[in-house]
Amino acid sequence: GENVEQHPSTLSVQEGDSAVIKCTYSDSASNYFPWYKQELGKRPQLIIDIRSNVGEKKDQRIAVTLNKTAKHFSLHITETQPEDSAVYFCAASSGGSNYKLTFGKGTLLTVNP
Amino acid sequence: GAVVSQHPSWVICKSGTSVKIECRSLDFQATTMFWYRQFPKQSLMLMATSNEGSKATYEQGVEKDKFLINHASLTLSTLTVTSAHPEDSSFYICSAFGQYFGPGTRLTVT
Repeated sequence: GENVEQHPSTLSVQEGDSAVIKCTYSDSASNYFPWYKQELGKRPQLIIDIRSNVGEKKDQRIAVTLNKTAKHFSLHITETQPEDSAVYFCAASSGGSNYKLTFGKGTLLTVNP
Repeated sequence: GAVVSQHPSWVICKSGTSVKIECRSLDFQATTMFWYRQFPKQSLMLMATSNEGSKATYEQGVEKDKFLINHASLTLSTLTVTSAHPEDSSFYICSAFGQYFGPGTRLTVT
C-alpha cells in the first residue's frame, strides 16, 4: 500500500518568514496530493491540492510543488502569520479526490510573533 | 459549500458498551464515506470505506466485527463501536470526497 513520509515533524518560524514542509510517497500510481490544516480539536481543512498532471499550484500565500519522478511534493507558505500556526498534513491518493487518502504524520507549525 | 455533520461531537461510555456515531452529508449525496481514527498528536488513519448499499471495505488490521459500518442512504453513514474498550478512545472523523470532513467525534471509554 501507499506510504507517505512527512518532514519536519515540528517547524518554528518567525512571523513573516517562509515555511516549507516536504512529503514523499511510495506508490507511483498516486495522482492526487492534498494538504490539510488542522487546529487543535477540529476537523482537517483542505488548504490546497495538486494533481499529478500539474507541477505547481499557488493560492495567495500558499503553494504546492510536485515532482513525480522523485515522488515528492512540498507545501510552501510565504509571509507566515501567527494564525498559520497549526498541524499540517500531506496526503496521497491513487484514485483522485473521491478515494481513500494516506496521510503523512503531520507537521506542527508554530509562527512566533 | 458541502457540509458534513457528525453526531455526537463527544461521548463517554463504559467499557463493554456500544456507541454509534452518525455522519451526515447535509447538502449533497455521497455514495462513499471514509472513516478515520486519530489518536492524540497523531495522524489520521483510515479505518474503512463506507459504500452506500453495499458492505464496507475495511483497512488491514481493523476489526470489522468491532467497528460496524452501515451506509443506509446517500446522506447517512454510521459507525458503531461495539464492546468498547479504553484503547478505542480516540477522535473519529468521517469524510467525503477527500475534502469534506465531519467535525469529528471524541470517544472516551472508561
